[in-house]
Amino acid sequence: DTGVSQDPRHKITKRGQNVTFRCDPISEHNRLYWYRQTLGQGPEFLTYFQNEAQLEKSRLLSDRFSAERPKGSFSTLEIQRTEQGDSAMYLCASSLGAEAFNSPLHFGNGTRLTVT
Amino acid sequence: GQNIDQPTEMTATEGAIVQINCTYQTSGFNGLFWYQQHAGEAPTFLSYNVLDGLEEKGRFSSFLSRSKGYSYLLLKELQMKDSASYLCAYYSGNTPLVFGKGTRLSVIA
Repeated sequence: DTGVSQDPRHKITKRGQNVTFRCDPISEHNRLYWYRQTLGQGPEFLTYFQNEAQLEKSRLLSDRFSAERPKGSFSTLEIQRTEQGDSAMYLCASSLGAEAFNSPLHFGNGTRLTVT
Repeated sequence: GQNIDQPTEMTATEGAIVQINCTYQTSGFNGLFWYQQHAGEAPTFLSYNVLDGLEEKGRFSSFLSRSKGYSYLLLKELQMKDSASYLCAYYSGNTPLVFGKGTRLSVIA
């Protein structure tokens, strides 16, 4: 396995458009996370899945943001009616996990979103 | 980051040793991670401390004091390729990794 992959690497969109990003985690990893990172900041947690269940979504930045992981494998993050403030790097990560959090996250290379 | 603090920038000389400090405040602490992130790339895992003490991994070592809410990352024999941001992050209770803002390290000749 070559690691976590994200698609696309870059996305430029006009304000008001919808965008969807895809993440393919490491195959044996049951947990999948979405983070957002802006320039000069550390990654900011958005949401995560254990298998197909979305266990935390209160940190999604607004109701314009939604994520799915329908079969417990790949995941998508959708942003509706994009705003210029949504411009950021969107990072996906995966890990092995049971109950406690104690495994390192393995990150993909991210999708850089620019909203014009 | 939430209740996690590290210096914004540091500069060090090639071949030298540098220590990057991180302090945090949380309850239900489960572990402290260090990641390296080169500009435009994904964070990559460096080290993990759950118990007090020093973990050594080649040129990189990480230290944790849970009672003080303090960790540091020690980089020895600095190389130009070590110029990157270094992110401190913790697990607490049922919360996924919480990251600091990162320390941007510049290695100069």
